[in-house]
Amino acid sequence: AQSVTQPDIHITVSEGASLELRCNYSYGATPYLFWYVQSPGQGLQLLLKYFSGDTLVQGIKGFEAEFKRSQSSFNLRKPSVHWSDAAEYFCAVEGGGGADGLTFGKGTHLIIQP
Amino acid sequence: DAGITQSPRHKVTETGTPVTLRCHQTENHRYMYWYRQDPGHGLRLIHYSYGVKDTDKGEVSDGYSVSRSKTEDFLLTLESATSSQTSVYFCAIGTSVHEQYFGPGTRLTVT
Repeated sequence: AQSVTQPDIHITVSEGASLELRCNYSYGATPYLFWYVQSPGQGLQLLLKYFSGDTLVQGIKGFEAEFKRSQSSFNLRKPSVHWSDAAEYFCAVEGGGGADGLTFGKGTHLIIQP
Repeated sequence: DAGITQSPRHKVTETGTPVTLRCHQTENHRYMYWYRQDPGHGLRLIHYSYGVKDTDKGEVSDGYSVSRSKTEDFLLTLESATSSQTSVYFCAIGTSVHEQYFGPGTRLTVT
């Protein structure tokens, strides 16, 4: 069965600093990978996805992620964070069966210091 | 905005009572999903549907049933609510390119 690990429960970053959120997955083949963001009291918003091809993918709000097959990782990055980036971030994997649901990591809570 | 609404948005109910949550989409997507979100667990799949009257179980389906009689509506039923089902429930739709878009959520409290 597929699984997702987000090793960091909380991360604190100063406004304007760079950000990297870690995600490791377990899946037998090349998975479909996603990053979602959830602001307090809100639903989940899709930031970006990786299906195949270029291993560096660009998303919304200035985020990017890099797929590394050798490390089974799909880390999320942003060069300079803004106070509005404070939120919960979830990495997710889908097995590619079409109807399959997503398997989520437990999330990383991002805190932005002024 | 993927055109997904959930109702009710908040509900408090007593242990042992039946509860039905509704998810409605305006996008005519084939795939629909129910997840629950609990602190420390992320989101976990309860049930999903790949078409009218076609549903299947997810990771945490015990105590839940679903129905889909129309493309636009996906209902989640707790036959006899328990305190362990206190959670935030999210509906999602799945597109043909494997993207899922989520509704605003329903906060359910079972007392």
